[in-house]
Amino acid sequence: GENVEQHPSTLSVQEGDSAVIKCTYSDSASNYFPWYKQELGKRPQLIIDIRSNVGEKKDQRIAVTLNKTAKHFSLHITETQPEDSAVYFCAASGGSGYSTLTFGKGTMLLVSP
Amino acid sequence: GAVVSQHPSWVICKSGTSVKIECRSLDFQATTMFWYRQFPKQSLMLMATSNEGSKATYEQGVEKDKFLINHASLTLSTLTVTSAHPEDSSFYICSASIGQGGTYGYTFGSGTRLTVV
Repeated sequence: GENVEQHPSTLSVQEGDSAVIKCTYSDSASNYFPWYKQELGKRPQLIIDIRSNVGEKKDQRIAVTLNKTAKHFSLHITETQPEDSAVYFCAASGGSGYSTLTFGKGTMLLVSP
Repeated sequence: GAVVSQHPSWVICKSGTSVKIECRSLDFQATTMFWYRQFPKQSLMLMATSNEGSKATYEQGVEKDKFLINHASLTLSTLTVTSAHPEDSSFYICSASIGQGGTYGYTFGSGTRLTVV
């Protein structure tokens, strides 16, 4: 099945800095790569996603890049704010597991004022 | 759109009892429902996948006789934790794929915090 590796596990930045979280996946047939933000005790919230026919997608301060050849994708957050502090998960689906969504282990992002 | 309502949001039960968690799709038909378990400071781990009208497919290591999943209709899926023990205490979340094979993404329930005492 699909295996998603996520790094780093924790990331501390100063307000205004950029943050980058990276993920790799194992199933070359995977074609959907969402990123979720999860606050303590709450459901994951989709912040951005990308499909395999696109290399980059941006939504205001958030961007995702995908390298299909290398099987890795990254989340970029610019001008970080304290409210960006949360746990972020990458995920992948669409490979041999069809619609099953496989999650990375998560990155705890802490943005200090 | 594509909202999944999950209940209860939290439950405390005694060891040995059973607990049922419900997930309802409010404005779409959830053909496929996924059930995840999340321990503190860990990721979402897939427990099982259920398709409406079929038996659920369980991930390796998940006891199907302990975690009973029913997906009898396109709008309701339930997870029953039978004979619960303290080690079953966790955050349980359901998720539905939107469109065939998740073509339009996924939507998540709000989660259920289960505490077994």
